Amino acid sequence: NAGVTQTPKFQVLKTGQSMTLQCAQDMNHNSMYWYRQDPGMGLRLIYYSASEGTTDKGEVPNGYNVSRLNKREFSLRLESAAPSQTSVYFCASSERFGWGGYEQYFGPGTRLTVT
Amino acid sequence: KQEVTQIPAALSVPEGENLVLNCSFTDSAIYNLQWFRQDPGKGLTSLLLIQSSQREQTSGRLNASLDKSSGRSTLYIAASQPGDSATYLCAVRPQYGNKLVFGAGTILRVKS
Repeated sequence: NAGVTQTPKFQVLKTGQSMTLQCAQDMNHNSMYWYRQDPGMGLRLIYYSASEGTTDKGEVPNGYNVSRLNKREFSLRLESAAPSQTSVYFCASSERFGWGGYEQYFGPGTRLTVT
Repeated sequence: KQEVTQIPAALSVPEGENLVLNCSFTDSAIYNLQWFRQDPGKGLTSLLLIQSSQREQTSGRLNASLDKSSGRSTLYIAASQPGDSATYLCAVRPQYGNKLVFGAGTILRVKS
């Protein structure tokens, strides 16, 4: 039982390049999330998927797209990377969305630098 | 809009000291509050989760309290150890939905 896994662990991109961050969970969770973490700002929600087949914008969605490929996998795509997207990206999952307070479990993060 | 603030931003203490980390939030309509630990270059590990109806939760040397009406939570660490050095994050879950709102964290260093 690996929990939440993310690939790659590190990535350096040039401005304008594109890439996809991968996330998978093996806990049979319905809901998945993408956050970014910047110094002094805590984690901010980029997109989330309350259940397979649905995605919604979070607090900072501009410049990103997501795909809920199946129940296990939720990917984050940067179509044209910008230096402002240099950050640490975390994927998380929870059993369900909605009121009920389901605990979120986090992956180890992807450190992305855009030059 | 819910905002979460953590004070202090950084704290350095000698080994063995008891210490308190503070978290405040602007909207008291929360479902629960969670404290996380983050080691350098790692993901988040959940430490304690307090439901809105609870006043405190304890796990080993950690004790978290919640005063929902005043929008405050504290994380108390007893007899601190160098292994406690990490960033501690507080997050609240609004009453509806499952979107966590995080504070910026407190960087703790325990000196041996």
